[in-house]
Amino acid sequence: EPEVTQTPSHQVTQMGQEVILRCVPISNHLYFYWYRQILGQKVEFLVSFYNNEISEKSEIFDDQFSVERPDGSNFTLKIRSTKLEDSAMYFCAINDMEEAFFGQGTRLTVV
Amino acid sequence: RKEVEQDPGPFNVPEGATVAFNCTYSNSASQSFFWYRQDCRKEPKLLMSVYSSGNEDGRFTAQLNRASQYISLLIRDSKLSDSATYLCVVNPLYNTDKLIFGTGTRLQVFP
Repeated sequence: EPEVTQTPSHQVTQMGQEVILRCVPISNHLYFYWYRQILGQKVEFLVSFYNNEISEKSEIFDDQFSVERPDGSNFTLKIRSTKLEDSAMYFCAINDMEEAFFGQGTRLTVV
Repeated sequence: RKEVEQDPGPFNVPEGATVAFNCTYSNSASQSFFWYRQDCRKEPKLLMSVYSSGNEDGRFTAQLNRASQYISLLIRDSKLSDSATYLCVVNPLYNTDKLIFGTGTRLQVFP
């Protein structure tokens, strides 16, 4: 099973601050995804990223969000100005043989 | 109608019991189907893909009924370690690889 490592495991930030969540797949993958899960709710798709470009994004993924792969290994999700409602678990995922594997997640708490 | 619908449970069953979960999906063009398992505050982990012919993996059996747009998961001989939330997951269209999650069905196996 492919491995995906996310850092940090928990991030607390003040409303209005910028946060960067990181994802490092252990092996080479071309497709990356970010999902989020608000406490007690279902997992929701945010964005897919292929070949250094966004291939698809959801309505949640507004102008406050951005993704990039700055150095060919790390895959990052940036939230420019966090809101209280951004508090959630954020999961990075990769696609391997049409099956998705998730990182352990970053718990973002906006206060 | 929700894209992916599941009974949230909880299902409380004794060790050794057989339990079945159902899931319905709204998009008849959906291509791929999966069951994921999620432990409390952890990432979703792939349990099994669901194929049209049905498939089995040890104590777990998954079935797909495209005509009724219905997916099932059967767990035989339940173990305490099976206690978790089971997520029904659908890839809704051919030209997308995003996943649509159900809210999950919680299973609690007791001694």
